[in-house]
Amino acid sequence: GENVEQHPSTLSVQEGDSAVIKCTYSDSASNYFPWYKQELGKGPQLIIDIRSNVGEKKDQRIAVTLNKTAKHFSLHITETQPEDSAVYFCAARGGSQGNLIFGKGTKLSVKP
Amino acid sequence: KAGVTQTPRYLIKTRGQQVTLSCSPISGHRSVSWYQQTPGQGLQFLFEYFSETQRNKGNFPGRFSGRQFSNSRSEMNVSTLELGDSALYLCASSQGLAGLYEQYFGPGTRLTVT
Repeated sequence: GENVEQHPSTLSVQEGDSAVIKCTYSDSASNYFPWYKQELGKGPQLIIDIRSNVGEKKDQRIAVTLNKTAKHFSLHITETQPEDSAVYFCAARGGSQGNLIFGKGTKLSVKP
Repeated sequence: KAGVTQTPRYLIKTRGQQVTLSCSPISGHRSVSWYQQTPGQGLQFLFEYFSETQRNKGNFPGRFSGRQFSNSRSEMNVSTLELGDSALYLCASSQGLAGLYEQYFGPGTRLTVT
C-alpha cells in the first residue's frame, strides 16, 4: 500500500523567512496530494492541494510543487508569520481507495 | 456554511467499556470518513461511509464500527475499550466519495481510556 514520508519533523524559522516541507510517496497511482495545518486543540485544516496533472500551485504565501517522476511533493511558505506556527501534514490519495495516507507531520515554529 | 461538528469533544472511559462518537458533516456533504490520531501512529484511516454504506475500511480490529444515517450524520462505536484506544478521533466530510473530493476535518473527539 501507499506510504508517505515527511521531512523534517521539526522546523524553526525566523519571521519573514521561507519554510519548506518535503514529502515522498510510494504508490505511483496516487493522484491527489493535500496539505493540512493543525493548530493545538483543532482538527486539520486543508490549506492547499495539488492533483497529479499539475506541477505547481500557489495561493498567496503558500505553494505546492509536485514531481511525479521522483514521487515527491513539497510545501513552500514564504514570508512566514508567527501565526503560521502549527503542525503541517502532507497526504496522498489514489489507486482504488479514497482514503488519505498521511505523513507524520512537521512542527513549524516561526520566531518573531 | 457551518463546518464539521463532532460530539462530544472530550470523553473519559474505563477499559472494557464501549463508546459512541458522533459526527455531523458540512451541509450538503454526503461522505464521512473517520481517522484516529495518536502521537505514535499519526493519522490513520478507520472507515468511510457514503449513502449509508461503508465504502472503505482501514486496518483496525472489528471493535471499531460505524454507521451513517439518511441525513449523512455518522457515528462510530468502539467496543471493549483498551488503553491503546486513547486518541483523538477525527471525522472528515466530503461532497461525494472521498476518492473524488476534498476532505474537511472536524475538531475531533479526545478519548481517554483509563
